[in-house]
Amino acid sequence: RKEVEQDPGPFNVPEGATVAFNCTYSNSASQSFFWYRQDCRKEPKLLMSVYSSGNEDGRFTAQLNRASQYISLLIRDSKLSDSATYLCVALGGSNYKLTFGKGTLLTVNP
Amino acid sequence: DGGITQSPKYLFRKEGQNVTLSCEQNLNHDAMYWYRQDPGQGLRLIYYSQIVNDFQKGDIAEGYSVSREKKESFPLTVTSAQKNPTAFYLCASSTNTGELFFGEGSRLTVL
Repeated sequence: RKEVEQDPGPFNVPEGATVAFNCTYSNSASQSFFWYRQDCRKEPKLLMSVYSSGNEDGRFTAQLNRASQYISLLIRDSKLSDSATYLCVALGGSNYKLTFGKGTLLTVNP
Repeated sequence: DGGITQSPKYLFRKEGQNVTLSCEQNLNHDAMYWYRQDPGQGLRLIYYSQIVNDFQKGDIAEGYSVSREKKESFPLTVTSAQKNPTAFYLCASSTNTGELFFGEGSRLTVL
């Protein structure tokens, strides 16, 4: 089982839709989780940090389920500008062990 | 503005040459990282450093070398021993809570 697995995608949704991404992790010692957004040929940028059961920031909601070892990202009222690859990251037991998923590509269509 | 600066953005190398990618940060972060990203793949850790004058191998360190002589700087050398060096290289630094901040990346192409 891979350490961090994401929905393979791609996701194609119309503007205004609600879309959810799932991510599972295998290291039960992982303490913190992050969602990054990466535009084509650009660097990843931090979207949300998830330290406890969840976090909400405007149209974006991240949830953590430690029992099932998964994290989700919900985007409501999708905008064209939300089109990007979304990366799930888990921070493991030691300080450095940040493990990335392969990412899920989202395209929001007009 | 605080941030991470990588240079060059684009680099072409002939086979057998060593190249060095620069990474400078003014965020006062202790930890710095180098990742490699290939098309359709996730980020893979090459080297990381948690403090000046100390660094550790990541998952794919073979063919690469680093130094950490100053807190602000973490250059990566891609040596001729790296068999498939064409990739997008990303430098990052992190807060104490693990949040990564990336530079804009360096795109290396071997001719």
